[in-house]
Amino acid sequence: AQSVAQPEDQVNVAEGNPLTVKCTYSVSGNPYLFWYVQYPNRGLQFLLKYITGDNLVKGSYGFEAEFNKSQTSFHLKKPSALVSDSALYFCAVRDTNAGKSTFGDGTTLTVKP
Amino acid sequence: DAGVIQSPRHEVTEMGQEVTLRCKPISGHDYLFWYRQTMMRGLELLIYFNNNVPIDDSGMPEDRFSAKMPNASFSTLKIQPSEPRDSAVYFCASSPQSWNTGELFFGEGSRLTVL
Repeated sequence: AQSVAQPEDQVNVAEGNPLTVKCTYSVSGNPYLFWYVQYPNRGLQFLLKYITGDNLVKGSYGFEAEFNKSQTSFHLKKPSALVSDSALYFCAVRDTNAGKSTFGDGTTLTVKP
Repeated sequence: DAGVIQSPRHEVTEMGQEVTLRCKPISGHDYLFWYRQTMMRGLELLIYFNNNVPIDDSGMPEDRFSAKMPNASFSTLKIQPSEPRDSAVYFCASSPQSWNTGELFFGEGSRLTVL
């Protein structure tokens, strides 16, 4: 069975500082990994994904994520945080043998001015 | 494209009433998912369809919940009878058939309150 863990419920950073939101995964085959963002009273929006290839994946709004197979991690990063980045972030893994995605519990990112 | 369209956006009903949530996926997407989001349990997959066929409904809480996809452009999630513990935000999402590598496109959700 596949699973995703987001060890931090909350991440607080100051505007302009780098941010990291952590994610670790467990799958039986090749991992297809995703990050989504959710703003208040909105649906989830896709940020970026890792399927294969370069371990550093770049996505929307200046976000990037680094796939680390040995540590089974897929941490979300941004070099310089904005107040508008404050939101709920979800990591997800998609089963390679079926279509369903498993989501982590989410991490609330707060960027303070 | 208008994206995934869900209705109603908000629903307030009384315990015991039937609730029907509707979803129109993005045209051409072969997968459709129903998720439920609550503070206590986070984001839960209820059921998903591939080419209008239910593939996995193991997340459906109980027999009070049912979902259908009569055609490629429409799906419903029905709760009968509804209970206060069903109060949640229900999301529909669709995804293209991309050998499981496609991201999910979510609707704006239907916020259900059962009194």
